[in-house]
Amino acid sequence: GAGVSQTPSNKVTEKGKYVELRCDPISGHTALYWYRQSLGQGPEFLIYFQGTGAADDSGLPNDRFFAVRPEGSVSTLKIQRTERGDSAVYLCASSSPPAGEQFFGPGTRLTVL
Amino acid sequence: AQSVAQPEDQVNVAEGNPLTVKCTYSVSGNPYLFWYVQYPNRGLQFLLKYITGDNLVKGSYGFEAEFNKSQTSFHLKKPSALVSDSALYFCAVSLQTGANNLFFGTGTRLTVIP
Repeated sequence: GAGVSQTPSNKVTEKGKYVELRCDPISGHTALYWYRQSLGQGPEFLIYFQGTGAADDSGLPNDRFFAVRPEGSVSTLKIQRTERGDSAVYLCASSSPPAGEQFFGPGTRLTVL
Repeated sequence: AQSVAQPEDQVNVAEGNPLTVKCTYSVSGNPYLFWYVQYPNRGLQFLLKYITGDNLVKGSYGFEAEFNKSQTSFHLKKPSALVSDSALYFCAVSLQTGANNLFFGTGTRLTVIP
């Protein structure tokens, strides 16, 4: 497709479980971003990749959160030992060049019971 | 530290009237400024951006925004509102120095009344 895609669209899990969220950016976009949007709030930055490397991971809330982009395209956000407070919509965006506008995917709604 | 303020949670405007959605920002350097719109059950859509140059920026769907450095504002405007403009609008800022992550405001819900 032409846009950023994210899977799954919805994920329900139990407290303490491990989850993986996938992002497929626009083809050719070298920069990839993850954000988290809680109800009634604007998106909050989590991590930014330039190519395969994490250029800025200062937004990750703690060490339960980790993201990879091994081949410089698809990225996976991994959350260990999920907590109820992790419930939110996780947004992925890509851009090219890095300083250009970011194009967002539809998000993954994560619910931790 | 960077921050964005959208002082109005809700803006109501009659169809055909001009609309303004307010945004002010705080950054430690020169800003890149953006407006995004979010429709229900859809992702954020880019509307327009200010990088440098002309303070009046024109974007998608007839929207425009004016960068005012002295007032650190970047208000979104449209001369004539449509019912289909009803959505959630987010202002965002990033730094020109190479940090590309966006800092978003809390959003303003625009309702255009027929």
